[in-house]
Amino acid sequence: DAGITQSPRYKITETGRQVTLMCHQTWSHSYMFWYRQDLGHGLRLIYYSAAADITDKGEVPDGYVVSRSKTENFPLTLESATRSQTSVYFCASSEASGSADTQYFGPGTRLTVL
Amino acid sequence: QKEVEQNSGPLSVPEGAIASLNCTYSDRGSQSFFWYRQYSGKSPELIMSIYSNGDKEDGRFTAQLNKASQYVSLLIRDSQPSDSATYLCAVGTGNQFYFGTGTSLTVIP
Repeated sequence: DAGITQSPRYKITETGRQVTLMCHQTWSHSYMFWYRQDLGHGLRLIYYSAAADITDKGEVPDGYVVSRSKTENFPLTLESATRSQTSVYFCASSEASGSADTQYFGPGTRLTVL
Repeated sequence: QKEVEQNSGPLSVPEGAIASLNCTYSDRGSQSFFWYRQYSGKSPELIMSIYSNGDKEDGRFTAQLNKASQYVSLLIRDSQPSDSATYLCAVGTGNQFYFGTGTSLTVIP
């Protein structure tokens, strides 16, 4: 039982390139989330999804795009990467309502934008 | 802007002592409260959730919630070196969690 997985685990890219981070969960959880974690800021929500084809912005959505065509997948795309997007990205999922239920986190993707 | 504040530490306690971690939040409409533990280089993992005023105990961990004061805390009894980590407070409002920046705890053997 893999739970929630992220790929790649590490990524180095250059400014201006498009990058897609993948998230896959095997629990059939309705809700999925993308966070970034930076020193001094903690975890900040980028986007979340309540179900397939339903997505909504979080606290820091600028520069990111998400989609959710299948319940189990929630990819995050940086359309034109910037150095300020260097961060650790965590995907999470929860079974029920996003704020009432426990969120389970993937292992994270460490992204460096040069 | 919804805010969740934690004392950033670092907090150091001797092995066997009680560690006390605190968190305040700004949104009175917040409905759910969570404590996560995060080891260096790892993802957050849930320790406790609490939804009602009062105390909730799970083994060596006790979460305390006071909605009137907008305050939630985590007590770790009989602290062990393996408890050394960063502890994140998360507050649920609407469909979102808001996280504090975390408190770094070191348990000294």
